Amino acid sequence: NAGVTQTPKFRVLKTGQSMTLLCAQDMNHEYMYWYRQDPGMGLRLIHYSVGEGTTAKGEVPDGYNVSRLKKQNFLLGLESAAPSQTSVYFCASSRLDSNSPLHFGNGTRLTVT
Amino acid sequence: GNSVTQMEGPVTLSEEAFLTINCTYTATGYPSLFWYVQYPGEGLQLLLKATKADDKGSNKGFEATYRKETTSFHLEKGSVQVSDSAVYFCALSDKTNAGKSTFGDGTTLTVKP
Repeated sequence: NAGVTQTPKFRVLKTGQSMTLLCAQDMNHEYMYWYRQDPGMGLRLIHYSVGEGTTAKGEVPDGYNVSRLKKQNFLLGLESAAPSQTSVYFCASSRLDSNSPLHFGNGTRLTVT
Repeated sequence: GNSVTQMEGPVTLSEEAFLTINCTYTATGYPSLFWYVQYPGEGLQLLLKATKADDKGSNKGFEATYRKETTSFHLEKGSVQVSDSAVYFCALSDKTNAGKSTFGDGTTLTVKP
């Protein structure tokens, strides 16, 4: 009964380093999302996926890439981290219909120095 | 496009006080409406939802009614507890928007004993 699992929970990067955040869901959901949460700015959608092998840009996609090679996994990559990417990152998943709520992971706190 | 406007916080109440957090929305279609709650250090979790006009969502003593005529979905609770201290997000999901949800900026509630 894990739901949505994000790894790692915390990470500190230096400017220019790269990393990948992993999201895994065990609910067989079609849709998956990556959000970032910053003080005073609510949740902003970075990228999303409507099914295995598909990805699309959200509101703030620059500096990030994603992949959805398997239905249960959604990876978020930072190729060259910048201090502006210091944030808390949340993954979420949902069923196909708009009546279904999002299920969120517990977040990854990323600091870029 | 879609948008959600939430009452600005932070909100501070004494235990057993009445709570209202206002939420209004703009949507092109007939959205489903949600309230999510985020406790410190955790991801968002669904609090309640309503999928059509005049529906009332309720959970843990919280209620919200989908009012199409005023495009509102205000969150209420008759008697708050210290354990209700959290950040509350209003959100909508629209079939025409590929499953993407639109979130308000969140309202921080602190309940003092």
